[in-house]
Amino acid sequence: GNSVTQMEGPVTLSEEAFLTINCTYTATGYPSLFWYVQYPGEGLQLLLKATKADDKGSNKGFEATYRKETTSFHLEKGSVQVSDSAVYFCALSDRGGSQGNLIFGKGTKLSVKP
Amino acid sequence: GAVVSQHPSRVICKSGTSVKIECRSLDFQATTMFWYRQFPKQSLMLMATSNEGSKATYEQGVEKDKFLINHASLTLSTLTVTSAHPEDSSFYICSASGGLTLGFYEQYFGPGTRLTVT
Repeated sequence: GNSVTQMEGPVTLSEEAFLTINCTYTATGYPSLFWYVQYPGEGLQLLLKATKADDKGSNKGFEATYRKETTSFHLEKGSVQVSDSAVYFCALSDRGGSQGNLIFGKGTKLSVKP
Repeated sequence: GAVVSQHPSRVICKSGTSVKIECRSLDFQATTMFWYRQFPKQSLMLMATSNEGSKATYEQGVEKDKFLINHASLTLSTLTVTSAHPEDSSFYICSASGGLTLGFYEQYFGPGTRLTVT
C-alpha cells in the first residue's frame, strides 16, 4: 500500500543553518505530495505542495521538489530561523490531490537555537 | 486563513463512559470533515471522512459503532467515543475542507484533542 517515510527527529540546528528533512514515498499511480507544519499548540498547516513529477513547491523560504525517479520529496531551507521550530509532516494523497486520504509520515520535530 | 477549532483541547474520562469532541470551521463552510488519530511518535491515521448531511465513511479497521461521527451542519462535526477504554487514549485531530480552490481541495486542521481514559 501507499506509505510515507521521513527522517526521524528531533533535528536541532542553529539559526541560519541549512535544513534538509528527507521524505520518501511508496505509491501506485501519481500521488500529490505535501509538507505540513505544526507549530506548538496549533493545528497542522499546509506548507507547500507538488502535484506532478518535477514540480517544486515553495513557501516561506522552504522548498521541495517532486522526484519521481527517486520517489522523494525532501524539504529544504537555506537559512532557518528560531520561528521555524515546529513539527514537519510529509504527506501524500493518492487521489489526485482531491479531498481526503492524506497519508502522513511520522513527523520530524525541528528545534532551532538562537 | 481558514480556521478550524476543536473542543475540548483535553479531556479525561473514566473507562466505560462516552466523550464527545467537537470540530468547527469558524470562517468557512466545510463540505467535508475528516477525523484523524495520532499515537505518540506515530503518523496521523485517517479514521473517517464525513460529508455534511451524509453518513460518515470509515477507514478499514475503525469501529463505526464505537466512534460515532455526526456532520449535521456545514460548520460542525462531532466525534463521540462510546464506552471508552484506556486503549482509546490518543490525540484526535479533525480537519475540514471547503471545496475546490485553485484545483485543489485543501484540508484545514484543528489543534487536536488529547483524550485520556482512566
